[in-house]
Amino acid sequence: DTGVSQDPRHKITKRGQNVTFRCDPISEHNRLYWYRQTLGQGPEFLTYFQNEAQLEKSRLLSDRFSAERPKGSFSTLEIQRTEQGDSAMYLCASSSETGTNEKLFFGSGTQLSVL
Amino acid sequence: GQSLEQPSEVTAVEGAIVQINCTYQTSGFYGLSWYQQHDGGAPTFLSYNALDGLEETGRFSSFLSRSDSYGYLLLQELQMKDSASYFCAGGFKTIFGAGTRLFVKA
Repeated sequence: DTGVSQDPRHKITKRGQNVTFRCDPISEHNRLYWYRQTLGQGPEFLTYFQNEAQLEKSRLLSDRFSAERPKGSFSTLEIQRTEQGDSAMYLCASSSETGTNEKLFFGSGTQLSVL
Repeated sequence: GQSLEQPSEVTAVEGAIVQINCTYQTSGFYGLSWYQQHDGGAPTFLSYNALDGLEETGRFSSFLSRSDSYGYLLLQELQMKDSASYFCAGGFKTIFGAGTRLFVKA
């Protein structure tokens, strides 16, 4: 169990630029989640995949956000035309589907700062 | 909609017992989980309740009452290292509460 890894750890970008984050889940986990977290708040659900299928996307997520998991392994989250309000910690989590007991394993996150 | 409510902050002394409550409204109940997050760190799983009752894991216990849409996390023999944020989470897609910041004083 090598854990969930995310890259980069930190990203500073200028408003209007595009950014892409990568998540490598635990290898045998078939579910992968993306969350966004701001200071003093809980993780906010963005989207999740079961294998390569994106099964749900938050209605709060604008069209500037897109996520992929092309081979059911790693995933990427892209934000186009970044805005200052996008500044947050972006967390990836994975889990193995074990009935109703969903234990999420989180990566250390990517801290995005939009200037 | 789905929401989980928990107190924003709790303070307790080292060695004491503290209870963090969580009330929820979720469509499609899939159990209630608890996560711990230290400043600058990632959330880590603590416990999960699918059925009513108490689950015990070392110094931490978690309780669920589905009829009351209510659960709590009980931390015993508090240590300074328990100072962190604690989140209840549940529902489809694992929705998180806003978190309870626990301060443990010497």
